[in-house]
Amino acid sequence: EVQLVESGGGAVQSGGSLRLSCAISGFNASFYYIDWVRQAPGKGLEWVGRTRNRANNFFTEYAAPVKDRFTISRDDSQNSVYLQMNRLRTEDTAVYYCARSVNGFDYWGQGTQVTVSS
Amino acid sequence: DIQMTQSPSSLSASVGDRVTMTCRASRDISNSLAWYQQKPGKAPKLLLYDAFRLQSGVPSRFTGGGSGTDYTLTIFRLQPEDSATYFCQQYLLTPPVTFGGGTTVEI
Repeated sequence: EVQLVESGGGAVQSGGSLRLSCAISGFNASFYYIDWVRQAPGKGLEWVGRTRNRANNFFTEYAAPVKDRFTISRDDSQNSVYLQMNRLRTEDTAVYYCARSVNGFDYWGQGTQVTVSS
Repeated sequence: DIQMTQSPSSLSASVGDRVTMTCRASRDISNSLAWYQQKPGKAPKLLLYDAFRLQSGVPSRFTGGGSGTDYTLTIFRLQPEDSATYFCQQYLLTPPVTFGGGTTVEI
């Protein structure tokens, strides 16, 4: 059974840092793009960034609002993907999802809440 | 970046109705479009990809259409469990992946 499970969310003050984890089971994550998508309270979906697959050297890409503050990494031995978030802002408050990317996002985690206070 | 615009932002319908919502891209996305259903407090669920291909396990009453810049999601024989927000997403030209603002279906 395919599962993606996010963890690491919580409350932090503006300027702080958090590291989210996405633990993956049911498939080998190294063969797939894994993306992070967030959703602010009452708002729509916003793409955060992605790590490409091994065939594409795990290249990472980011949305403009988080570029240079967020970093996506992988640990193949753990079949996990991580989102390091630095210099957090109040506008980063959202539920963060990791998702497998295959012509759209076919599997999603349950999400983890990140709340940034001023 | 490719902008995605969904309409209407919300609609109300009855059980058994047929409803159609649209998604317009700011440029031709060559059917590289996915539709998602999201219920409150839950992760989005992929319904269709490549504009019209049904994801495994999704009821056939969900149908996608369109081409170029304009796409539709139609739900035939609306069921109570179809009450949700529906998002479109393009994946032709990334980054960034872009989503529409959503259509909320009330039954």
